[in-house]
Formats: sequence, C-alpha cells, structure tokens
Amino acid sequence: DIQMTQSPASLSASLEEIVTITCQASQDIGNWLSWYQQKPGKSPQLLIYGATSLADGVPSRFSGSRSGTQYSLKISRLQVEDIGIYYCLQAYSAPWTFGGGTKLELK
Amino acid sequence: QVTLKESGPGMLQPSKTLSLTCSFSGFSLSTSGMVVSWIRQPSGKSLEWLAAIDWDGDKYYNPSLKSRLTVSKDTSNTQVFLKITSVDIADTATYYCARSPYYYSSPFDYWGQGVMVTVSS
Repeated sequence: DIQMTQSPASLSASLEEIVTITCQASQDIGNWLSWYQQKPGKSPQLLIYGATSLADGVPSRFSGSRSGTQYSLKISRLQVEDIGIYYCLQAYSAPWTFGGGTKLELK
Repeated sequence: QVTLKESGPGMLQPSKTLSLTCSFSGFSLSTSGMVVSWIRQPSGKSLEWLAAIDWDGDKYYNPSLKSRLTVSKDTSNTQVFLKITSVDIADTATYYCARSPYYYSSPFDYWGQGVMVTVSS
C-alpha cells in the first residue's frame, strides 16, 4: 500500500495567516492527489484534485502544489470557516489511502 | 443535484454481518466511468477506503479487509450495497459512500452524510 504521511497533525493559526499542510507519499503517485476538508459532524468535502486544481465552489485562497512526492495545501488568508480537519488522498493505485489528517484550529 | 445517503442498522453484535446501503440520485452508476466507493472513519481517526464498484460492475476491495467485504449494486443503478461479515468492535465507525465520476483515479467529488455503526455486545 502507498503510505501518505501528513503533517502537521495539528496546527493553530491566526485569522488572515498563511497556512500550509503537507503530505508525503511513500512512492510516486503523479498528480493523483486530492485534498478534503472535514468539519465536525460532517462528511469530507473536496477542495483540490489533480494535486493543483481547485474544485468547484472552493474559495481561491486554497491552493495545491507538488514537489516530487511531496504535496502541499496552502490557505493564503485563514478565515473562520476554514477551521476543521484536512485530509489528503492518493488515488494512484488501490487501495486508495488517506493521510492521517491535520486538525486546524484558530489561535 | 447529486446526493448520496447511507443507511444501516445503527448497532449490531460482534460476529454478525453488517449490511449497508448507499442510495443516490442525480447520477447513474450506468454512466461510463462512474464509480461508487465505501469509506469508513472511526471516531476521532482518519479515513479508510474499503471497496468500490464501477459502472461495468467491476469491484475493488481493500486487501486488508477483502475476505470480509462484498460490494454490489442494484439493477436500476441507483443503489450500492456493502456487506461486512464477522464484524468486530474495530468495525465501529461512520461509514460513507462517495462518488468518483471519471474512473477510479478521479477524486471523491460527492459524499453521503455518513451512517454511524456501533458494534457492541
């Protein structure tokens, strides 16, 4: 199985701050990487697909990037509604695997 | 409008078989490239992909659970089912179904609300 190592596990940031979350894949997964946001008691919502493409309706302050087997999710100016848990997912090869999650809180 | 909704027993005893249903609308599983997956999440933990079925009826399973899983769909292509045999306390989780519209490597663009399943004696 492909392992997705996500960091940090938790993050406390201030409003308007830049936030970066990373996922390291255990092998090459190309651009088959997506990011999801999950709010308490809700199902995950797609933010980024193809490593860098913004999903429909997602604010432009979210962006994704890739450097080799490291993938990053950046929030350019943190807003209150961005609080939640973020997960990466590799869909390069089965079984699809998720990162361990990053819990984002307001400082 | 695409919607998915999971349903299940809520609670069951260890060693029983868990049967889950994903009912969806706004798309058809007969559409070429369409895939519906099952994913679960124990409370406070990350997500685990379990199984998927595609428009052609092909099925994929997580090897870690493969011997216990069976995924299927109905003939109207509006429901997908998941059975997990010999459940254990470790199977206690919220179970989601999600759609991938462009073959298996496309992202999960729509998710159901999830159904909580508790395994307890």
